[in-house]
Amino acid sequence: DAKTTQPPSMDCAEGRAANLPCNHSTISGNEYVYWYRQIHSQGPQYIIHGLKNNETNEMASLIITEDRKSSTLILPHATLRDTAVYYCIFLSNFGNEKLTFGTGTRLTIIP
Amino acid sequence: GAVVSQHPSWVICKSGTSVKIECRSLDFQATTMFWYRQFPKQSLMLMATSNEGSKATYEQGVEKDKFLINHASLTLSTLTVTSAHPEDSSFYICSANPGHMSSRDTQYFGPGTRLTVL
Repeated sequence: DAKTTQPPSMDCAEGRAANLPCNHSTISGNEYVYWYRQIHSQGPQYIIHGLKNNETNEMASLIITEDRKSSTLILPHATLRDTAVYYCIFLSNFGNEKLTFGTGTRLTIIP
Repeated sequence: GAVVSQHPSWVICKSGTSVKIECRSLDFQATTMFWYRQFPKQSLMLMATSNEGSKATYEQGVEKDKFLINHASLTLSTLTVTSAHPEDSSFYICSANPGHMSSRDTQYFGPGTRLTVL
């Protein structure tokens, strides 16, 4: 199974940038890094994904190291609604590959 | 983004009864849907892969006769928990892939169904 390592929990002050790290040292060349988050009692929400280059969308930025063994999800201006469990996953198939969720990082935004 | 719905959002049933949970892709067709289960304070665990027009593929340790999956159309998959017991109480979540050709696919998740078996 694809294996990622994330810190179990993090705190971030409201309005500050939240930087969530993920280690994926066994990632293969054709595997993408995906980030999802799960707010309490809801289904996971897609955030962003990338292969080699850094990516940015309306929700977040994704920074992938040159060796692709780790990445960082950045929420530029965290709000209380960003409190959730964040999951880093890597997979290769075009969407129909099953997702293996690790334990994720529980991010708490502090007022 | 693509929308996936689930019904019901929560259900309470007596031990020994069966419960059906629906997963619908509202604005796209999905040949493949996935069913997950999540116990309190744990991560999502994949139960099975639902394939339109064919049998579902179950993960190791998941009883196919207890968790019946039917993917009868390209927009609907159902999960039936048969003879439910209190240990089946959990949060059940489905996901589906829109299969866009012009961009990398991703999976979108339903809001989940909380099942409580008394």
